[in-house]
Formats: sequence, structure tokens, C-alpha cells
Amino acid sequence: DTAVSQTPKYLVTQMGNDKSIKCEQNLGHDTMYWYKQDSKKFLKIMFSYNNKELIINETVPNRFSPKSPDKAHLNLHINSLELGDSAVYFCASSQDINPPSGYYQETQYFGPGTRLLVL
Amino acid sequence: EDKVVQSPLSLVVHEGDTVTLNCSYEVTNFRSLLWYKQEKKAPTFLFMLTSSGIEKKSGRLSSILDKKELFSILNITATQTGDSAIYLCAVEATSGTYKYIFGTGTRLKVLA
Repeated sequence: DTAVSQTPKYLVTQMGNDKSIKCEQNLGHDTMYWYKQDSKKFLKIMFSYNNKELIINETVPNRFSPKSPDKAHLNLHINSLELGDSAVYFCASSQDINPPSGYYQETQYFGPGTRLLVL
Repeated sequence: EDKVVQSPLSLVVHEGDTVTLNCSYEVTNFRSLLWYKQEKKAPTFLFMLTSSGIEKKSGRLSSILDKKELFSILNITATQTGDSAIYLCAVEATSGTYKYIFGTGTRLKVLA
């Protein structure tokens, strides 16, 4: 019944490891996002995909690579994890009416978050 | 089942009006409640509330939490057209497993 789900919810790992976070939405939305929540609770957009195509790629290290096998899934793979990668990562989806350029103000539905801790 | 409900779903007001947005929740092991303003891309963080009865203020915006009645309100006074946005409420909980539960937002439109 969950609209936007993420796995895992917790991830504790060592520096230098490679890890993936998966996201799935069953809302039939065309657009999915990855956000990083910093220690001040600010949400910074990392990537956005519309119908499996990358439309937003903010200034994010190359170690982060999104993959969208279909429009219901947007996974985030992180190589060579660093201490600064520790954060809560949110996946979200929305039904954008005017993709891919710009944004129509549609509600984004957020997943429960994945708390990543890099030791 | 954990849930966050925001009301109203949408609201249209005129500049200068005062609005009150509501967020009620039912979660196990509440940790915090956050308000975000969503305009274009990433939602903008507004407030984090953890204690009852302590009002947080930022300019024309203020928010308060009632942990007994399980709700929070976001007030916007002297609204401006730039306040038009979707306002999201999210609750952080540790009910067995850590998670955030987001409401579906209140769409506010402020007319000139």
C-alpha cells in the first residue's frame, strides 16, 4: 500500500565501500527525485528523472550515480563512500504536467528516508 | 499505521490575509515535526519542532506543536503572492524502524 518506498531504511557502512539505495513508487508518476537532507534538515535535490530520463543533475560528486530501470524505480548507487555522505536520503515522486523542462507545481510524494551512516 | 494528515488540501486567499495550516499525526515514538515550503525544485526547510508549546517564528511565519493533541499549525500573517506554494509537513518517528512520514501538503495560492 506504500506509495513511495525506500530500502534500506538504515545503512551503516565503512568509508570506501560502495552501496545502493533503492526507491520504488506505485503512484504511476512520471518523475522521481533523490534528495539529501543535511544536518540542518535542509533538503538538497541531487537528481531527478522523468520517464527514465535524467532531467536534473545538481552538483553532486561523480561517486553518486542514479539508475532508473523504469519509471517506477529510481535507485541511487554511491561509490567510495566518504564520511560526509552520512545523511538522510529521500526519494520522492510527482506527476509533472510539463516535463521535462521546468517544474509544474505538483505535490511531491516522499519516501520514508534512508539514514546512511559512514564510519 | 503511522500517518500525517494536512488540512486544508488547498486554500486560496488574498494578499494581506492570515492563514493557518494544520498538520495532525499519529505515529509511534515521535521525534520531531518539520515544515517545508515547496515551490519549484527542492522543498525549503521552514521549521523543526520537537517540544510542545514553544512557538517558532521566522518573519511572517510561525509554527507551534501540541504533542498532547498530536498536531502542529503553521501560521502565515500578511500573506504575499510569494507565499504561494505547497506546504509540506513531515514527522520523524522511530516506531520500530526509523522513518519520516510526509503529509500530502496544503496548496496555498495568494491572489494579488
